[in-house]
Amino acid sequence: EPEVTQTPSHQVTQMGQEVILRCVPISNHLYFYWYRQILGQKVEFLVSFYNNEISEKSEIFDDQFSVERPDGSNFTLKIRSTKLEDSAMYFCASRLDRGTYEQYFGPGTRLTVT
Amino acid sequence: AQTVTQSQPEMSVQEAETVTLSCTYDTSESNYYLFWYKQPPSRQMILVIRQEAYKQQNATENRFSVNFQKAAKSFSLKISDSQLGDTAMYFCAFMAGNTGKLIFGQGTTLQVKP
Repeated sequence: EPEVTQTPSHQVTQMGQEVILRCVPISNHLYFYWYRQILGQKVEFLVSFYNNEISEKSEIFDDQFSVERPDGSNFTLKIRSTKLEDSAMYFCASRLDRGTYEQYFGPGTRLTVT
Repeated sequence: AQTVTQSQPEMSVQEAETVTLSCTYDTSESNYYLFWYKQPPSRQMILVIRQEAYKQQNATENRFSVNFQKAAKSFSLKISDSQLGDTAMYFCAFMAGNTGKLIFGQGTTLQVKP
């Protein structure tokens, strides 16, 4: 069964450094999402992406964040200058098309900013 | 703005018994979808069940069923014949229309005891 994959599973970085979190959505899916979950808290929407454009972004998704689909298979989330409060689990999800509602989540990347 | 509230931070149930997890939501949208996601210790989010707001019939998936009370904006999850593998965090989630943006509740940690 096709699945969403994410790499790395755990990333440790120093405050102020740039990080890129990678996701490979399910191959024929058209809609892509990033969510984050700070330890012990609820899952929060960050951004949605369709047709090589951001469809919607949350207040969390400020200028430090960017997303890209560089090669038609990967979907990346970049944090330009990490802060301690960026430490969280980051989940990528994909959805087939506008007429479907199920989002398939990846296993997540745990980001630890020290 | 839409909100989702899960008022039970933790619950436990004996194996083979039935448990109900509560969820309420607030929205002014008429077209929306509600979901229950399971997050086991492995942390990958798995869709358990989905309900379209326009459908009066409650969704069921094997041992999982919902009680959707649209007027009360309530969406509870019933797990019958609980199994040890049901131990996980359960998130209620809302999606307006087919935006794809999921809004999650705070989660309920369910422990199934042998």
